[in-house]
Amino acid sequence: DAGITQSPRHKVTETGTPVTLRCHQTENHRYMYWYRQDPGHGLRLIHYSYGVKDTDKGEVSDGYSVSRSKTEDFLLTLESATSSQTSVYFCAITGDQETQYFGPGTRLLVL
Amino acid sequence: TQLLEQSPQFLSIQEGENLTVYCNSSSVFSSLQWYRQEPGEGPVLLVTVVTGGEVKKLKRLTFQFGDARKDSSLHITAAQPGDTGLYLCAGAYSGGSNYKLTFGKGTLLTVNP
Repeated sequence: DAGITQSPRHKVTETGTPVTLRCHQTENHRYMYWYRQDPGHGLRLIHYSYGVKDTDKGEVSDGYSVSRSKTEDFLLTLESATSSQTSVYFCAITGDQETQYFGPGTRLLVL
Repeated sequence: TQLLEQSPQFLSIQEGENLTVYCNSSSVFSSLQWYRQEPGEGPVLLVTVVTGGEVKKLKRLTFQFGDARKDSSLHITAAQPGDTGLYLCAGAYSGGSNYKLTFGKGTLLTVNP
């Protein structure tokens, strides 16, 4: 158990509204990641963080922003949600040998 | 952008059969992981391989890393219904950021009783 929690676990929102997803870890890991998972696309990296206030873009970062003000929390914000952002979002941290450990996921529906 | 090709995409077999899932790339991996994901949950790590030619076994699951570290396979012997799930491979590429992974699209395995 890598001590990763995500909130909320489920959310329904309307197009155009801002949405923030939270990832919390208890293991003091330096690296944290946000992925989205969609049928036919697998897991795609949105943003990642390599330390407090240090973040970088992944392959599908448009329409998303992140913040990390303390080691244990990594926030993902959809600035103005669109239907194409309906997805399952996973947070992850890096352990030994470059392996990643995942949270339980947030299922987001944008209507 | 590095690509990881995973095959087959779907696999439906009967209990007791054997199966193999493949993960291939044109790039060299510094390490490769295999994950299993059940519906409504996050991926769970099965194994990490780091040395070319390495073979690791986890009960009925055998993982092999290619000699050139460009490919990997997962073999399941005598599959059981409890093996049903989405199997994902993920690679960290030599020369890139060693703390970012690229994932294959997954193999959805169904084992029928």
